[in-house]
Order: sequence, then C-alpha cells, then structure tokens
Amino acid sequence: KQEVTQIPAALSVPEGENLVLNCSFTDSAIYNLQWFRQDPGKGLTSLLLIQSSQREQTSGRLNASLDKSSGRSTLYIAASQPGDSATYLCAVRPGGGGSNYKLTFGKGTLLTVNP
Amino acid sequence: DAGITQSPRYKITETGRQVTLMCHQTWSHSYMFWYRQDLGHGLRLIYYSAAADITDKGEVPDGYVVSRSKTENFPLTLESATRSQTSVYFCASSESAGWGEKLFFGSGTQLSVL
Repeated sequence: KQEVTQIPAALSVPEGENLVLNCSFTDSAIYNLQWFRQDPGKGLTSLLLIQSSQREQTSGRLNASLDKSSGRSTLYIAASQPGDSATYLCAVRPGGGGSNYKLTFGKGTLLTVNP
Repeated sequence: DAGITQSPRYKITETGRQVTLMCHQTWSHSYMFWYRQDLGHGLRLIYYSAAADITDKGEVPDGYVVSRSKTENFPLTLESATRSQTSVYFCASSESAGWGEKLFFGSGTQLSVL
C-alpha cells in the first residue's frame, strides 16, 4: 500500500526566504505526482504536476522536483511572501493501470511566512 | 467560470438521518471523485466515477452511496449518518485519469453529525 509522508508538518519562515518542502512515497511505481495548496476553509488548488518521466516542473516562484527511484519530491518556493502561507500537500497517482486514478495524499505541511 | 461547486457549504444533521451532498461541474470532465478530510487521516477517497453510470469504491466507501446519471453531477449520500462521518467532504474532477491530468477541487462541505 502506498504511503506518502510530508516532513515537516509545520514550517515558519521570515518573508523573503527561499524554502523547500519535502514529500516522500514508499512505492516508486507512480504515474505522476501533484503538489497542491490549501487555504484555511477552502478546497485544494493544484500547483504543479510532475509526470513520472519528468525530473521537475516550474511555475513562477515554484519549482517541484521528482526523484522517482528514491521516492522523493521537493517543492521549492523562492522569495517567500506572506500570501504563500497555506498548507501544501503532495499526492501520487499510482501506475500500473486499473485503479490508477486513486490518488494517495500526504497529510501536508503548514507553511507560515511572517512579514 | 463556475468550475466545480458543492452544496451545501455547511450541514448539521442527526445520527440516523439520510444526507445528500451535491457536486456539480461545468467542464464536462469525465472523472469525478469524493474525498473526506479529517485531522490525522488527511484526504481519503470515498468513491469515484469514470463516466456517467460508472462508479467504483475508494478507500473508505462504507456508509456512502453515489450515483452519476449525468456527467456534470455526482451526489454523495450518507444513508444513515453516524458521528464518525463528521468531516469535511470534497468533490473533485479531472478531464481524464490518464497521464498528466490535474485534479480540480470544490470548496468543500463541512458536515456535522450530532
């Protein structure tokens, strides 16, 4: 059974700092990995999706990397801003066909960026 | 630009009552999903649907029923609500389940079972 772990559970940084969020998964047979953002009381917003054959994806100040063989992904946020404060979750979609649409989510990292 | 909408936003009910949570999407996405989010458990898949009239169980389906008579709607019914079903419920959709498709979420329904 796939397990997804995100460490740390919470992170507090001063504005302007570059930071890295971590995501690890136990089964490397994945189709893709997705990073989401969740604001309090809201649904999830997809930030970046990395396909299994890719090493990284970038969107603005965000860069996500994937090392499938070691079961790790990182989300790098450059020049953090208070508006980046949210919970960040990663989720993996399994490979192998059949039930490949059943994502497994990590429990998230709560990020606070202090002005 | 409605996207995916859930109703109601908040619901309080009593143990044993039937409750239906609604989900509607305007993109004509093929795949739709119901998740529940609980402290300590994170997001868990309840049911999903690959197309109209095609549904299947996720990780925690017991006590829930779904239907998908139209592509755009995917209601979730709690047949006889229990306190353990108190949770935040999210509906999501995806254009396909294939390689590279993003998942889009609704704003959630916060359900309290007393």
